[in-house]
Amino acid sequence: GQQLNQSPQSMFIQEGEDVSMNCTSSSIFNTWLWYKQDPGEGPVLLIALYKAGELTSNGRLTAQFGITRKDSFLNISASIPSDVGIYFCAGQLQTGANNLFFGTGTRLTVIP
Amino acid sequence: DGGITQSPKYLFRKEGQNVTLSCEQNLNHDAMYWYRQDPGQGLRLIYYSQIVNDFQKGDIAEGYSVSREKKESFPLTVTSAQKNPTAFYLCASSLSVVHQPQHFGDGTRLSIL
Repeated sequence: GQQLNQSPQSMFIQEGEDVSMNCTSSSIFNTWLWYKQDPGEGPVLLIALYKAGELTSNGRLTAQFGITRKDSFLNISASIPSDVGIYFCAGQLQTGANNLFFGTGTRLTVIP
Repeated sequence: DGGITQSPKYLFRKEGQNVTLSCEQNLNHDAMYWYRQDPGQGLRLIYYSQIVNDFQKGDIAEGYSVSREKKESFPLTVTSAQKNPTAFYLCASSLSVVHQPQHFGDGTRLSIL
């Protein structure tokens, strides 16, 4: 399958700080998705991006679809303790049924 | 509430036993998927189904089987041929396989006794 490189693998930040993480691929994707997973739960969709250059916000979260269509970024502003979890990026191709590929996740720890 | 329901939350399997994980959705989605998640790793696709009575192997289908007799149901059987079944299993669905994000259930954790 496709390889998505997600970084950083883990982050320890102080409450109130901003967070940035990114995902890169050697392949071009038509859709980028960002999910958050809490321990023992399924991933929850945070933001979906459908167009190169698109910048979309969901509360304190902002994600961008890279111009090259090979990368995406997620920013979290003013982090709070409930932001703790694992954040996954996923790239989706336009064609083919088996067309969604996941990054390995960024584990975020917020220190109160 | 609309969503995806996986059951049971925890499951234990004895050696040589087949076990079936349930996944039900009431979102009227055509496509359904099964993923396996191991500690510290991303999601790997086991099987997917684009429509009722159709399903395809994903990247790691060996030792697993599925059926799609109803639109809302996509059970996964972990067979005795799967030698390393301990993992967190996630079911997902989407309106279609193209241009539609997948939504996930809360997972089933399978362990070997």
